[in-house]
Amino acid sequence: EAGVTQFPSHSVIEKGQTVTLRCDPISGHDNLYWYRRVMGKEIKFLLHFVKESKQDESGMPNNRFLAERTGGTYSTLKVQPAELEDSGVYFCASSPRLPRTGNTEAFFGQGTRLTVV
Amino acid sequence: AQSVTQPDIHITVSEGASLELRCNYSYGATPYLFWYVQSPGQGLQLLLKYFSGDTLVQGIKGFEAEFKRSQSSFNLRKPSVHWSDAAEYFCAAFDSWGKLQFGAGTQVVVTP
Repeated sequence: EAGVTQFPSHSVIEKGQTVTLRCDPISGHDNLYWYRRVMGKEIKFLLHFVKESKQDESGMPNNRFLAERTGGTYSTLKVQPAELEDSGVYFCASSPRLPRTGNTEAFFGQGTRLTVV
Repeated sequence: AQSVTQPDIHITVSEGASLELRCNYSYGATPYLFWYVQSPGQGLQLLLKYFSGDTLVQGIKGFEAEFKRSQSSFNLRKPSVHWSDAAEYFCAAFDSWGKLQFGAGTQVVVTP
């Protein structure tokens, strides 16, 4: 079974440009999460999809960030325009069920390292 | 507010020695707790998790963790570390929606 895959693994862009990160969750996982680790900081939650709907986007930093999950399969996270402080590692995770419904866990992708110069 | 704290930012341990990484949580109810490891250039790998039941949890790579409600702790242990255990370790807790709250991470360096 394929795990969570993220593309690209690395991206270097100039300030003001647009970047789109992609996450393919494990097949059948309704829950998809985005997290970010900025250099020297903690891993922080960005948002949570249940199927194609945004359940919680309280962690999105500002309106330069747009996440979508069309059809409830893969998800994209677009940063437009990118700023220097957006540099960091963006992680995607998926899980088959919510903790309230039973034992579960989050399966993480390898992450996308974004560098804005 | 809910929080997860890892007091040690950096730990150096000799190969073959024991390792203990500390994690404290602050949650209203019994939390769902996890330890993840990130090796250089890799993603986050789950070492073990605690949902309920036995408070001593066994994980992969010879790691174990003990949930202690009275101390609000979930410390990770390994009896004898290997050079390949050099990595960054994260303690984390789920909320009811599966959103993870992470600790700051502990960097483990293994010396010969």
